[in-house]
Amino acid sequence: AQSVTQPDIHITVSEGASLELRCNYSYGATPYLFWYVQSPGQGLQLLLKYFSGDTLVQGIKGFEAEFKRSQSSFNLRKPSVHWSDAAEYFCAVGEHSGYSTLTFGKGTMLLVSP
Amino acid sequence: DADVTQTPRNRITKTGKRIMLECSQTKGHDRMYWYRQDPGLGLRLIYYSFDVKDINKGEISDGYSVSRQAQAKFSLSLESAIPNQTALYFCATSDSRRGADTQYFGPGTRLTVL
Repeated sequence: AQSVTQPDIHITVSEGASLELRCNYSYGATPYLFWYVQSPGQGLQLLLKYFSGDTLVQGIKGFEAEFKRSQSSFNLRKPSVHWSDAAEYFCAVGEHSGYSTLTFGKGTMLLVSP
Repeated sequence: DADVTQTPRNRITKTGKRIMLECSQTKGHDRMYWYRQDPGLGLRLIYYSFDVKDINKGEISDGYSVSRQAQAKFSLSLESAIPNQTALYFCATSDSRRGADTQYFGPGTRLTVL
């Protein structure tokens, strides 16, 4: 069975500093990988996704993520954080068969300090 | 207009009451999902439907039932609500024709069971 681990429950970053949120997955083959963001009181919005090809994926709002098969990781990065990035971030994994569902990590809450 | 809508957005009910949460989508997607979100636990899948005649249990289906009335509508019912069903509930959709499991989420329903 597939699983996702987000090791950091909370992360605090200063505005303007760089950000990296960690995601590790467990899956036997090449997975589909996603990052979603949930702003306070909102639903989940897709930031970016990896299906195949280039392992560095660009998303919305200046985010990017890199798929590293050898480390079973899909870490999310942003070079300069804005106060509006404060939210909860979820990593998710799905299967290439197309018949599966997604498995979500427990989330990382990002706090942005002035 | 939102592509995935959920009604009601907030609901307070009492233990033992029957309650229905509704989800509608205008995205034309064939697949629909119900999740619950609890602090620190991320999103957990309750039920999913890959088409109108296909209903499947997810990770935590006990105490819940669903109905797929049409391709665009997917309802979640709590037959006899209990306090530990207090949570934020999300509906999501995806399109199998795109060959991947990118899911699009509604705004959520906050349910409180007293």
